[in-house]
Order: sequence, then C-alpha cells, then structure tokens
Amino acid sequence: DVKVTQSSRYLVKRTGEKVFLECVQDMDHENMFWYRQDPGLGLRLIYFSYDVKMKEKGDIPEGYSVSREKKERFSLILESASTNQTSMYLCASQTTEGVQYFGPGTRLTVL
Amino acid sequence: GENVEQHPSTLSVQEGDSAVIKCTYSDSASNYFPWYKQELGKRPQLIIDIRSNVGEKKDQRIAVTLNKTAKHFSLHITETQPEDSAVYFCAASIKGSNYQLIWGAGTKLIIKP
Repeated sequence: DVKVTQSSRYLVKRTGEKVFLECVQDMDHENMFWYRQDPGLGLRLIYFSYDVKMKEKGDIPEGYSVSREKKERFSLILESASTNQTSMYLCASQTTEGVQYFGPGTRLTVL
Repeated sequence: GENVEQHPSTLSVQEGDSAVIKCTYSDSASNYFPWYKQELGKRPQLIIDIRSNVGEKKDQRIAVTLNKTAKHFSLHITETQPEDSAVYFCAASIKGSNYQLIWGAGTKLIIKP
C-alpha cells in the first residue's frame, strides 16, 4: 500500500517568512510532484522531480523552489511567503505506469 | 501550451441516474488519460484510467471512453449513489514527459437523494 505523507496538514505563516513543506513516499518512486489546488482552478503543477537532485519547473514555479536530496523526500520551499500563496498544497508520487498517489495536503495560510 | 478542458463544472443528478463528465485535450500526442476522485477534505485518488490503444474501459459502475480523433474522453457513472458525491478531475499526459499530467479544472458531482 503506497504511503505519501506531508509534514503538516495546516500551516499559518506571516508574509515574508520562509516556509518548508515536506513530502515523503515509501514506494521508491522516481517521480514526485508538487501541486497547488485552488477552487475552480484544478491542480496546477509547481515543480516536479524525476530523480534525486533533478527538478523541472511546472506551470507556476514563480515564488517557489524545491529540493530532492533523497529519493523518498521532495521538499517545497517558499522563499518569502506572500498572501497570494495561501492555498492547498498537494504532493504526489508516481508509479512507472503513470499512477499518481497523493499526500493528504497542506493547507497554508499566509497572513 | 497544452490544456485540458472539463465540463460541466458542477453536475447534479438524482440518485440512481447516470452521470457523464467530459474532457477535451489539445496535445494530440497524449496517450494516458486518468480520472481522479476527491471527496471532501480528502486527497485525490485514481478511480480509472485509459491508454490511447483502448477506446473504452469499464470497472463496475464506472466507465471511460476515449475518442482520439476528436481528442476527447468521458467518464460515465451509472446507478449513482450518495458516495459518488465528490469532485472529479480528468487529466492527460504530455508527450515525452514521463507521464507529467495536465489536469482539468474539476467537476463537482452532487447526488440528490
């Protein structure tokens, strides 16, 4: 049974703070993804990684960075949080056949 | 760029009736089309997927059809039940991207008792 966990379910930060969101998967998947989910906009890809230390920009990478130092862990970093980054953040891990398994999500509020 | 359009954004059906959600995609090279269900407060989960060498796939009350010529695919749910109430997302793979997906905006399905 695939397990994808995220470091926090709810997070409240202040404008300008540095924010770390962490995602861990236990299935040795190579591909991992970070999305943000906003009402009416579906899932928008921020960054993805297809191997350790490899990363690719998604559709909305501005204001974000990522880190993948170990295969099981993919971190999303908000260098200087802004109010327009208030959102639900979802991490996913992907099988070789393309099936994505999602974490429970982190609801981030930036005040 | 590539995009996926999903309709309708909200669908309300009587319990026991059928529900159909449609998606169109722009990348003619897309070859993998999954559907995910997200219940309120929960994470999205795959319910069915189809690959471009197949026109239709069924799994109990759920079916997906694919028309590659028209570049659209649809989710069909028959004999709807209250537990089918959720947001459904379609997605299409991007060519040469190792299964990077482009997602539809989602359809909120409401099952009326």
